[in-house]
Amino acid sequence: DAGVTQSPTHLIKTRGQQVTLRCSPKSGHDTVSWYQQALGQGPQFIFQYYEEEERQRGNFPDRFSGHQFPNYSSELNVNALLLGDSALYLCASSRVGYRETQYFGPGTRLLVL
Amino acid sequence: GQQLNQSPQSMFIQEGEDVSMNCTSSSIFNTWLWYKQDPGEGPVLLIALYKAGELTSNGRLTAQFGITRKDSFLNISASIPSDVGIYFCAGQLAGNTPLVFGKGTRLSVIA
Repeated sequence: DAGVTQSPTHLIKTRGQQVTLRCSPKSGHDTVSWYQQALGQGPQFIFQYYEEEERQRGNFPDRFSGHQFPNYSSELNVNALLLGDSALYLCASSRVGYRETQYFGPGTRLLVL
Repeated sequence: GQQLNQSPQSMFIQEGEDVSMNCTSSSIFNTWLWYKQDPGEGPVLLIALYKAGELTSNGRLTAQFGITRKDSFLNISASIPSDVGIYFCAGQLAGNTPLVFGKGTRLSVIA
């Protein structure tokens, strides 16, 4: 039973560039949530996708956007990167209708120079 | 964004000692979760609590969902070196709503 997978593991970008991060949910899960974790902090909710639509969104600017595909995998896109976007980006998957506990992937470490 | 109050921030203990940490919130949650995160990895779910007053164990770990719904506690008995890491509490209002995290408790175990 494959867990949540994310790619790439690490990424280095420069200010102003754009980045796409990818997530495959745990087998049997249909909902994907994205979190940003700055150094020394707990994860902060970015947004959640279910049935290929953004269902909920945290306090993040429109530079952060996403997509969910028919196979439930998801992408997180960040445009016009800022130094402050450097963080660990975590994907969590869950299944609607059964307690909906969220399981996390290993994360993508993004460094913006 | 909102964060839960987690304490202590860090702790150093001897191998074999018991550990207690807690998490409080100004608002009510209907689910409390405890995760452990190792450096460079994603959080791993340890215990999930779904009912006020619930006490749940997972091996040497025991967690409780506070009666007020505004707090939760995690205890680790007879600590071992592999318990080292950062422990996060998370509250959830309802199913599939966003998790709200604490800042974590960093645990170090001295052999």
